Amino acid sequence: GAVVSQHPSRVICKSGTSVKIECRSLDFQATTMFWYRQFPKKSLMLMATSNEGSKATYEQGVEKDKFLINHASLTLSTLTVTSAHPEDSSFYICSATLLRSHNEQFFGPGTRLTVL
Amino acid sequence: AQSVTQLDSQVPVFEEAPVELRCNYSSSVSVYLFWYVQYPNQGLQLLLKYLSGSTLVKGINGFEAEFNKSQTSFHLRKPSVHISDTAEYFCAVETGTASKLTFGTGTRLQVTL
Repeated sequence: GAVVSQHPSRVICKSGTSVKIECRSLDFQATTMFWYRQFPKKSLMLMATSNEGSKATYEQGVEKDKFLINHASLTLSTLTVTSAHPEDSSFYICSATLLRSHNEQFFGPGTRLTVL
Repeated sequence: AQSVTQLDSQVPVFEEAPVELRCNYSSSVSVYLFWYVQYPNQGLQLLLKYLSGSTLVKGINGFEAEFNKSQTSFHLRKPSVHISDTAEYFCAVETGTASKLTFGTGTRLQVTL
């Protein structure tokens, strides 16, 4: 149980285009979902916290107009990278917290974004 | 604000040897501590966590960690490693505020024959 999926696993796009990444909790309802960004050989940087039906809370330094987060249901959150540039290339990972499971985040497999 | 320090960026070790991956944290409040493992191009998998109670925590794949409040440490140990343990290991801390995690910079465990 407690499986989180992400789609796509890998995406390559042209500079200036927008890319949408989906994060789904497959077998549970997630109260909260998180979006992280990971640079090569670096740690995970929290970008934003997403709660179903409300606006995402962004971390300091993260552009909310560039990284649009929508949390439409208790099982789905999306991250849209708008007007992508090469510096947005990164590994994006989502996680979800399970109702009744104190403090544990379940992580998706990640999405590798490459902007040409 | 809390922070996590993993001093060793890489730890090479021979198969069947013991290993310790170090983690120190700083926080002014009570913390919850986690170790995650990441295999190449994959997300993170929880190895173990400390929330309260016994300071020695056992996790999956034979790993264990000990919470030491006086030294603000949560070092990860395994008595005998396997080639398949080769991965990136992340220590993380949560203070209970909205379940937000702060990660260390990771330690690359490289197990060789």
